[in-house]
Parts: sequence; structure tokens; C-alpha cells
Amino acid sequence: GENVEQHPSTLSVQEGDSAVIKCTYSDSASNYFPWYKQELGKGPQLIIDIRSNVGEKKDQRIAVTLNKTAKHFSLHITETQPEDSAVYFCAAPNFGNEKLTFGTGTRLTIIP
Amino acid sequence: GAGVSQSPSNKVTEKGKDVELRCDPISGHTALYWYRQSLGQGLEFLIYFQGNSAPDKSGLPSDRFSAERTGGSVSTLTIQRTQQEDSAVYLCASSLEWANYGYTFGSGTRLTVV
Repeated sequence: GENVEQHPSTLSVQEGDSAVIKCTYSDSASNYFPWYKQELGKGPQLIIDIRSNVGEKKDQRIAVTLNKTAKHFSLHITETQPEDSAVYFCAAPNFGNEKLTFGTGTRLTIIP
Repeated sequence: GAGVSQSPSNKVTEKGKDVELRCDPISGHTALYWYRQSLGQGLEFLIYFQGNSAPDKSGLPSDRFSAERTGGSVSTLTIQRTQQEDSAVYLCASSLEWANYGYTFGSGTRLTVV
């Protein structure tokens, strides 16, 4: 089945700086790569996703890049703000697109 | 409804009791998923429904765990003879059809076994 690895497990950045979280996946047939943000006491919320026919996607301060050859994808958050503090999960679908396998999560802390 | 609804939001139960957790997915979403999240940990897959069928039950930790879905809508996760290690947040998600449509998660049920 699909195996997703995520790094780093914790990340602290100064407010206004950029944050980058990286994930690798094992199944070369995977074609969809979402990122979820989980705030304390809430369920994960989809913040951005990318499909395998593009290399980059942006939505205001967040962007995701995909390298299919290397089988890795990354989340980039620019001009970080205190409300960006949360746990972020990457994911990739298994063969057949039946379910998502999640990375182990990154706890991002924005230092005011 | 507008989102995925889970109930109860919190449940405290005594060891050995049975519990039922409910998930009401987004209307029209055919795929429904249950995940478990232990304190500070990642998302552990439990079971997946497509319509009323469960093609993948591979994540259920033991035969004390079962789930069903009726009418292609509401799902119930049942844990029999609860143990302390069952304490976790149980998250439900639904998707329009397949995983690559993206999940919408509920807020979860926090289960505490005392």
C-alpha cells in the first residue's frame, strides 16, 4: 500500500517568515496530493491540493509543489501569521483512489 | 447538511461498556471514512464505506470494533467492551465519490474510557 513520510515533525518560525513542510510517497500511480490543517479540538480541514498533471499550485499565501520523478511534494506558507499555528498533514491516495494515507503531521508554531 | 456531523462530541465511558459513535456525512457523498487519532498522534485508518458496503475494514484494531452504514448516509461505529487503549478522537470524513475528490472531516468524537 501507499506509504507517506512527512518532515519535519515540528517547526517553529518567526512571524512573517516562510515555512516549508515536505512529504514523500511510495506509489508512483498516486495522482492527488492534499494538505490538511488541524487546529486544536477540530477535525482536519483541506487547505490546498494538487493533481499530478501540474507541478505547482498557489492560493494566496500557500502553495504546493510536486515532483513526480522524485515522488515528493511540499507545502509552502509565506508571510506566516499567528493563525497559521496548527498541525499540518499531507496525504496521498492508495492504488484505486479508495482512501488516503496520511503523513505523521507537522506541528507548526509561529513565533510573534 | 453543510458539513460532516459527528455525535456525541465527547463521550466518557467505563471500561467494559459498549459505545456507539455516529457520523452524518455530506448529502450526496458516497464515500465515508473512519479514522482514529490518539493524543498528539497521526490519523489511523479504520474503515471505508462506498455506499452501504465496506470494501476495506483492514484498519479495525480488533473484533470489538464494528461499523455499519445505512441508506448510503449515516454511519455508526460501535466499540464493544471498551478498553482504556480505545481512548482517542474518532474522526469521520466523507468524499463525493473517491479519495481523490478530497475528504471533508467532521469535528470528531473524543472518547475517554475510565
